[in-house]
Amino acid sequence: RKEVEQDPGPFNVPEGATVAFNCTYSNSASQSFFWYRQDCRKEPKLLMSVYSSGNEDGRFTAQLNRASQYISLLIRDSKLSDSATYLCVVNEGFQKLVFGTGTRLLVSP
Amino acid sequence: NAGVTQTPKFQVLKTGQSMTLQCAQDMNHEYMSWYRQDPGMGLRLIHYSVGAGITDQGEVPNGYNVSRSTTEDFPLRLLSAAPSQTSVYFCASRSTGVSNYGYTFGSGTRLTVV
Repeated sequence: RKEVEQDPGPFNVPEGATVAFNCTYSNSASQSFFWYRQDCRKEPKLLMSVYSSGNEDGRFTAQLNRASQYISLLIRDSKLSDSATYLCVVNEGFQKLVFGTGTRLLVSP
Repeated sequence: NAGVTQTPKFQVLKTGQSMTLQCAQDMNHEYMSWYRQDPGMGLRLIHYSVGAGITDQGEVPNGYNVSRSTTEDFPLRLLSAAPSQTSVYFCASRSTGVSNYGYTFGSGTRLTVV
């Protein structure tokens, strides 16, 4: 079983749509959680940290369910510029970041 | 702010050659790491450092060496390149403190071993 699992997609959505990605992790001792965005042939960039109480940054909302070991990312009012791969990342401690393989999002006009 | 700078951006090596991938950050970050990214596998940790003079192995350390003589620099050395080391390599850094601070990545080095 992979330590961090994501649906690879691609998710094809029209502009303005709402889309949600899910991620599950296997290590119950994981300490912190992130969503990164990676554009084609570019480096990953931090989109947002994920807090137990859930958190929002503009059109993006992240949720964490520690009991189910589940993380989600919701994108509202999708833009063409949101097209990218979204990486779920779990910090298992001692600087061990474990990356999911990513979910690809394609937003079309 | 330059952030995390990696050089070179592209490199082609012959099997058996050695080389050093450079990584420098100007944010005074204590934590630095090297990852490789291969299709369908996600980023995997090669080596990491929690401060100058301190390094440790990650998930896939074989064939790579690191050192951390200064806070700013964290070079990755390939001892004897193999085709299996063809990959995209990313260096990343983070400050100490709250663990919810994410890593900042360099723009990557695309390495091909023939």
